[in-house]
Amino acid sequence: GQQVMQIPQYQHVQEGEDFTTYCNSSTTLSNIQWYKQRPGGHPVFLIQLVKSGEVKKQKRLTFQFGEAKKNSSLHITATQTTDVGTYFCAGRAFGSSNTGKLIFGQGTTLQVKP
Amino acid sequence: NAGVTQTPKFQVLKTGQSMTLQCAQDMNHNSMYWYRQDPGMGLRLIYYSASEGTTDKGEVPNGYNVSRLNKREFSLRLESAAPSQTSVYFCASSEGPLLYGYTFGSGTRLTVV
Repeated sequence: GQQVMQIPQYQHVQEGEDFTTYCNSSTTLSNIQWYKQRPGGHPVFLIQLVKSGEVKKQKRLTFQFGEAKKNSSLHITATQTTDVGTYFCAGRAFGSSNTGKLIFGQGTTLQVKP
Repeated sequence: NAGVTQTPKFQVLKTGQSMTLQCAQDMNHNSMYWYRQDPGMGLRLIYYSASEGTTDKGEVPNGYNVSRLNKREFSLRLESAAPSQTSVYFCASSEGPLLYGYTFGSGTRLTVV
């Protein structure tokens, strides 16, 4: 079945350093979404990428979707303590039979030392 | 707007007991989902309902049943709870099954002893 793998599982950075998490799928994706979950909280939708090679920015966050639509990345520039949490990618395999099946990666937990 | 409301927030069950987790959304969303979250496993899809009147299995449906009661409500039932079902359960909804972000509820922390 479809698998979405995320690396690294954990990342500790000093405040002000950059951070990147990578997401890889075993199958071609129709779209990919990114979510953030604060400790003890619930996932919150950040963004969706649909087009091959797409790049989107939200302030210090940059999201990329690979040309082959099988991988994605989230890069945070100059991390802040408010960036602490677990970042999940989630993708839907290409094809109508996968309607509704958004599959999540295992997540990358980011710790930021002030 | 409350968004997605889940009840209860916490529950302890004995092995073999049954219970229903409730979920309701007030955003007029068409699609609803149940996920479970376990350490190191991310979020795994249990069941989903792409639209009112339809339900489909996700990645880990065994031991669970669902009911899409109406457009607003989507419940998850554990008929005979097992310790392996100890987890945090999240309900989510979206405008449609394809190109929309999900809105999650605050979760139900379930322990089966």
